[in-house]
Amino acid sequence: ETGVTQTPRHLVMGMTNKKSLKCEQHLGHNAMYWYKQSAKKPLELMFVYNFKEQTENNSVPSRFSPECPNSSHLFLHLHTLQPEDSALYLCASSQDSRKLAGGDEQFFGPGTRLTVL
Amino acid sequence: DAKTTQPPSMDCAEGRAANLPCNHSTISGNEYVYWYRQIHSQGPQYIIHGLKNNETNEMASLIITEDRKSSTLILPHATLRDTAVYYCIVRVLFLGQNFVFGPGTRLSVLP
Repeated sequence: ETGVTQTPRHLVMGMTNKKSLKCEQHLGHNAMYWYKQSAKKPLELMFVYNFKEQTENNSVPSRFSPECPNSSHLFLHLHTLQPEDSALYLCASSQDSRKLAGGDEQFFGPGTRLTVL
Repeated sequence: DAKTTQPPSMDCAEGRAANLPCNHSTISGNEYVYWYRQIHSQGPQYIIHGLKNNETNEMASLIITEDRKSSTLILPHATLRDTAVYYCIVRVLFLGQNFVFGPGTRLSVLP
């Protein structure tokens, strides 16, 4: 248990569906992240939120829409996805994404395995 | 792009020390070296980090060369549960710098 939970753990959706991924952290952190991990590829950072404000969008297509209502919760809204969007989506949190000192390690959730048909 | 190079895979016998190397020849003075690992189908797990000095915690030891161009993660007594992909990451020390994960080293601990 890392203190970061993600639901659902598995999701199968069609290209016309709308679904949402949820992440919750119980660590009192202020920064939250979405990563994508496709098969046989390194993790790719998608979005960063710090104190509920989005600080990074790593050129992610608009069919992925993040939402951060508070520092403990992060959502990823999905609509009109493509089969190539099938991947493991990982959420992480850290104390503060702007922290200058090293040691701002990120704690990851278990991920949501997404399959787009 | 990742600023580190690691061997794609390594094997280690159970109970022996696992020594995972990482080259970061372009590391700058304010960059830390971090290690994470990812067990199959789970999220990455933080292991250890360091700047100049060697570091040790309950999971592993990190040895950084004097010129800081390479480092080694040491798992002193590898178990089957240590089988995972290990990522070595260098992180620039300024506002908003994020972690960039490379392909890592797939460590297989063999019985």
